[in-house]
Amino acid sequence: EVQLVESGGVLVQPGGSLRLSCAASGFTFSDHYMDWVRQAPAKGLEWVGRIRNKAKSYTTDYAASVKGRFTISRDDLKNSLYLQMTSLKTEDTAVYYCARGGVTTRGRRYFDYWGQGTLVTVSS
Amino acid sequence: DIQLTQSPSFLSASVGDRVTITCRASQGISSYLAWYQQKPGKAPKLLIYAASTLQSGVPSRFSGSGSGTEFTLTISSLQPEDFATYYCQQLNSYRLTFGGGTKVEIK
Repeated sequence: EVQLVESGGVLVQPGGSLRLSCAASGFTFSDHYMDWVRQAPAKGLEWVGRIRNKAKSYTTDYAASVKGRFTISRDDLKNSLYLQMTSLKTEDTAVYYCARGGVTTRGRRYFDYWGQGTLVTVSS
Repeated sequence: DIQLTQSPSFLSASVGDRVTITCRASQGISSYLAWYQQKPGKAPKLLIYAASTLQSGVPSRFSGSGSGTEFTLTISSLQPEDFATYYCQQLNSYRLTFGGGTKVEIK
Protein backbone atom coordinates (compact mmCIF):
# COMPACT_ATOMS: atom_id res chain seq x y z
CA GLU A 1 0.00 0.00 0.00
CA VAL A 2 1.31 3.39 -1.01
CA GLN A 3 1.74 5.71 1.97
CA LEU A 4 3.03 9.25 2.29
CA VAL A 5 3.42 10.65 5.80
CA GLU A 6 4.40 14.25 6.38
CA SER A 7 5.93 15.55 9.58
CA GLY A 8 7.66 18.61 10.98
CA GLY A 9 4.86 21.15 11.02
CA VAL A 10 4.98 23.49 14.02
CA LEU A 11 4.43 27.06 15.11
CA VAL A 12 7.35 29.25 13.97
CA GLN A 13 8.02 32.96 14.11
CA PRO A 14 8.17 35.15 11.01
CA GLY A 15 11.66 35.08 9.56
CA GLY A 16 12.29 31.64 10.93
CA SER A 17 13.16 28.36 9.24
CA LEU A 18 11.67 24.92 9.23
CA ARG A 19 12.19 21.59 7.50
CA LEU A 20 9.30 19.33 6.62
CA SER A 21 9.69 15.65 5.85
CA CYS A 22 7.60 13.20 3.89
CA ALA A 23 8.21 9.49 4.47
CA ALA A 24 7.22 7.27 1.57
CA SER A 25 6.48 3.56 1.55
CA GLY A 26 4.77 0.94 -0.57
CA PHE A 27 6.34 1.91 -3.89
CA THR A 28 9.71 2.48 -5.53
CA PHE A 29 10.27 6.01 -4.31
CA SER A 30 13.34 6.62 -6.43
CA ASP A 31 11.35 6.22 -9.67
CA HIS A 32 8.96 9.05 -9.01
CA TYR A 33 8.75 12.81 -9.22
CA MET A 34 7.54 14.25 -5.93
CA ASP A 35 5.74 17.52 -5.24
CA TRP A 36 4.73 19.74 -2.35
CA VAL A 37 1.33 21.42 -2.33
CA ARG A 38 0.01 23.71 0.38
CA GLN A 39 -3.39 24.94 1.49
CA ALA A 40 -3.84 28.02 3.65
CA PRO A 41 -6.72 27.88 6.16
CA ALA A 42 -10.07 27.90 4.34
CA LYS A 43 -8.29 28.57 1.03
CA GLY A 44 -7.57 26.65 -2.15
CA LEU A 45 -4.64 24.51 -3.19
CA GLU A 46 -1.30 26.08 -4.12
CA TRP A 47 1.49 24.10 -5.77
CA VAL A 48 4.79 24.75 -3.98
CA GLY A 49 7.35 22.84 -5.99
CA ARG A 50 8.63 19.62 -7.49
CA ILE A 51 11.73 17.46 -7.49
CA ARG A 52 12.33 15.03 -10.31
CA ASN A 53 13.99 11.66 -10.07
CA LYS A 54 17.62 10.64 -10.58
CA ALA A 55 17.04 10.05 -14.29
CA LYS A 56 16.17 13.73 -14.55
CA SER A 57 19.12 14.77 -12.35
CA TYR A 58 16.93 15.61 -9.35
CA THR A 59 16.02 18.94 -10.95
CA THR A 60 13.55 21.17 -9.16
CA ASP A 61 10.93 23.79 -9.95
CA TYR A 62 9.23 26.18 -7.57
CA ALA A 63 6.25 28.48 -7.41
CA ALA A 64 7.18 32.15 -7.69
CA SER A 65 5.88 32.77 -4.17
CA VAL A 66 8.50 30.50 -2.59
CA LYS A 67 11.41 30.54 -5.06
CA GLY A 68 14.61 31.53 -3.31
CA ARG A 69 13.19 30.78 0.14
CA PHE A 70 12.18 27.11 -0.10
CA THR A 71 14.32 24.16 -1.18
CA ILE A 72 13.08 20.69 -2.04
CA SER A 73 15.38 17.71 -1.65
CA ARG A 74 15.09 13.96 -1.43
CA ASP A 75 16.98 10.96 -0.06
CA ASP A 76 16.16 7.93 -2.17
CA LEU A 77 17.97 5.62 0.26
CA LYS A 78 15.68 6.76 3.07
CA ASN A 79 12.58 7.01 0.84
CA SER A 80 12.13 10.54 2.06
CA LEU A 81 11.24 13.92 0.64
CA TYR A 82 12.08 17.21 2.31
CA LEU A 83 11.00 20.83 2.17
CA GLN A 84 13.43 23.31 3.69
CA MET A 85 11.67 26.60 4.35
CA THR A 86 13.52 29.80 5.25
CA SER A 87 12.57 33.47 5.71
CA LEU A 88 9.07 32.32 6.60
CA LYS A 89 6.20 34.77 6.29
CA THR A 90 2.76 34.78 7.88
CA GLU A 91 1.32 34.01 4.45
CA ASP A 92 3.22 30.69 4.44
CA THR A 93 0.81 29.44 7.11
CA ALA A 94 -0.84 26.37 5.59
CA VAL A 95 -1.23 22.63 5.61
CA TYR A 96 1.61 21.22 3.53
CA TYR A 97 1.00 18.05 1.53
CA CYS A 98 3.49 15.89 -0.30
CA ALA A 99 2.19 14.21 -3.43
CA ARG A 100 3.45 11.57 -5.82
CA GLY A 101 3.44 12.28 -9.52
CA GLY A 102 2.59 8.68 -10.27
CA VAL A 103 0.22 8.84 -13.24
CA THR A 104 2.31 9.51 -16.31
CA THR A 105 0.98 10.33 -19.73
CA ARG A 106 2.46 12.41 -22.54
CA GLY A 107 5.35 13.39 -20.33
CA ARG A 108 3.21 14.81 -17.54
CA ARG A 109 2.94 13.38 -14.06
CA TYR A 110 -0.36 13.69 -12.26
CA PHE A 111 -0.70 13.43 -8.49
CA ASP A 112 -2.16 10.03 -7.66
CA TYR A 113 -1.22 9.78 -3.97
CA TRP A 114 -1.11 12.47 -1.30
CA GLY A 115 -0.09 12.51 2.32
CA GLN A 116 -2.42 13.62 5.10
CA GLY A 117 -0.66 16.97 5.46
CA THR A 118 1.24 18.77 8.20
CA LEU A 119 0.28 22.20 9.54
CA VAL A 120 2.80 25.02 9.52
CA THR A 121 1.81 28.15 11.42
CA VAL A 122 3.91 31.28 11.03
CA SER A 123 3.04 33.76 13.73
CA SER A 124 4.65 35.91 16.38
CA ASP B 1 2.24 31.77 -14.62
CA ILE B 2 -0.83 30.20 -16.19
CA GLN B 3 -4.00 31.21 -14.38
CA LEU B 4 -6.96 28.84 -14.05
CA THR B 5 -10.42 30.29 -13.43
CA GLN B 6 -13.11 27.93 -12.19
CA SER B 7 -16.81 28.65 -12.39
CA PRO B 8 -18.95 28.65 -10.49
CA SER B 9 -17.04 29.01 -7.24
CA PHE B 10 -20.04 27.68 -5.35
CA LEU B 11 -22.80 25.36 -6.53
CA SER B 12 -25.89 24.14 -4.72
CA ALA B 13 -27.41 20.96 -6.14
CA SER B 14 -29.60 17.99 -5.26
CA VAL B 15 -28.87 14.28 -5.30
CA GLY B 16 -29.42 13.02 -8.84
CA ASP B 17 -28.66 16.35 -10.50
CA ARG B 18 -26.28 16.68 -13.43
CA VAL B 19 -23.50 19.06 -12.46
CA THR B 20 -20.98 20.81 -14.69
CA ILE B 21 -17.94 22.76 -13.52
CA THR B 22 -15.84 24.85 -15.91
CA CYS B 23 -12.13 25.61 -15.77
CA ARG B 24 -10.65 28.24 -18.09
CA ALA B 25 -6.93 28.68 -18.64
CA SER B 26 -5.27 32.04 -19.32
CA GLN B 27 -3.42 30.46 -22.25
CA GLY B 28 -3.58 27.19 -24.12
CA ILE B 29 -2.58 24.15 -22.11
CA SER B 30 -3.36 21.40 -24.64
CA SER B 31 -4.91 18.57 -22.60
CA TYR B 32 -2.58 18.85 -19.62
CA LEU B 33 -5.32 19.23 -17.06
CA ALA B 34 -6.41 17.29 -14.00
CA TRP B 35 -9.43 17.41 -11.73
CA TYR B 36 -9.28 16.67 -8.00
CA GLN B 37 -11.94 16.22 -5.36
CA GLN B 38 -11.31 17.33 -1.79
CA LYS B 39 -13.47 16.70 1.25
CA PRO B 40 -13.08 18.68 4.49
CA GLY B 41 -9.97 17.74 6.45
CA LYS B 42 -8.80 15.32 3.76
CA ALA B 43 -6.18 15.32 1.04
CA PRO B 44 -7.29 15.85 -2.55
CA LYS B 45 -8.13 12.84 -4.69
CA LEU B 46 -7.33 12.55 -8.39
CA LEU B 47 -10.49 12.10 -10.47
CA ILE B 48 -9.53 12.92 -14.06
CA TYR B 49 -6.19 13.41 -15.77
CA ALA B 50 -5.15 14.43 -19.26
CA ALA B 51 -8.45 16.35 -19.39
CA SER B 52 -10.64 13.32 -19.98
CA THR B 53 -9.09 10.12 -18.63
CA LEU B 54 -10.83 8.66 -15.60
CA GLN B 55 -8.45 7.68 -12.82
CA SER B 56 -8.63 4.05 -11.77
CA GLY B 57 -11.35 3.42 -9.20
CA VAL B 58 -13.26 6.65 -9.85
CA PRO B 59 -16.97 6.15 -10.62
CA SER B 60 -18.01 6.53 -14.23
CA ARG B 61 -20.49 9.27 -13.38
CA PHE B 62 -17.46 11.59 -13.41
CA SER B 63 -16.24 12.74 -16.81
CA GLY B 64 -13.97 15.43 -18.17
CA SER B 65 -13.69 17.16 -21.50
CA GLY B 66 -11.98 20.03 -23.24
CA SER B 67 -8.64 21.12 -24.59
CA GLY B 68 -6.77 24.36 -25.14
CA THR B 69 -8.27 26.88 -22.74
CA GLU B 70 -11.68 25.53 -21.75
CA PHE B 71 -12.41 22.39 -19.78
CA THR B 72 -15.37 20.87 -17.99
CA LEU B 73 -15.91 18.35 -15.24
CA THR B 74 -19.33 16.72 -15.31
CA ILE B 75 -21.00 14.60 -12.66
CA SER B 76 -23.87 12.87 -14.44
CA SER B 77 -25.94 12.06 -11.37
CA LEU B 78 -24.78 13.66 -8.12
CA GLN B 79 -24.47 11.26 -5.21
CA PRO B 80 -24.33 12.13 -1.49
CA GLU B 81 -20.61 11.32 -1.35
CA ASP B 82 -19.89 13.82 -4.15
CA PHE B 83 -20.52 16.88 -2.01
CA ALA B 84 -17.01 18.31 -1.84
CA THR B 85 -14.74 20.93 -3.35
CA TYR B 86 -13.33 20.35 -6.83
CA TYR B 87 -10.09 21.77 -8.23
CA CYS B 88 -8.60 21.82 -11.67
CA GLN B 89 -4.81 21.79 -12.15
CA GLN B 90 -2.71 22.53 -15.21
CA LEU B 91 0.52 20.71 -15.99
CA ASN B 92 1.37 22.47 -19.24
CA SER B 93 4.12 24.61 -17.75
CA TYR B 94 6.86 23.74 -15.30
CA ARG B 95 5.12 25.93 -12.75
CA LEU B 96 1.97 24.01 -12.01
CA THR B 97 -1.13 25.88 -10.92
CA PHE B 98 -4.55 25.08 -9.48
CA GLY B 99 -7.88 26.71 -10.04
CA GLY B 100 -9.59 28.45 -7.15
CA GLY B 101 -12.00 25.58 -6.49
CA THR B 102 -15.71 24.89 -6.79
CA LYS B 103 -17.60 23.93 -3.66
CA VAL B 104 -20.57 21.64 -4.33
CA GLU B 105 -23.13 21.73 -1.54
CA ILE B 106 -26.47 20.07 -0.90
CA LYS B 107 -29.51 22.07 -1.96
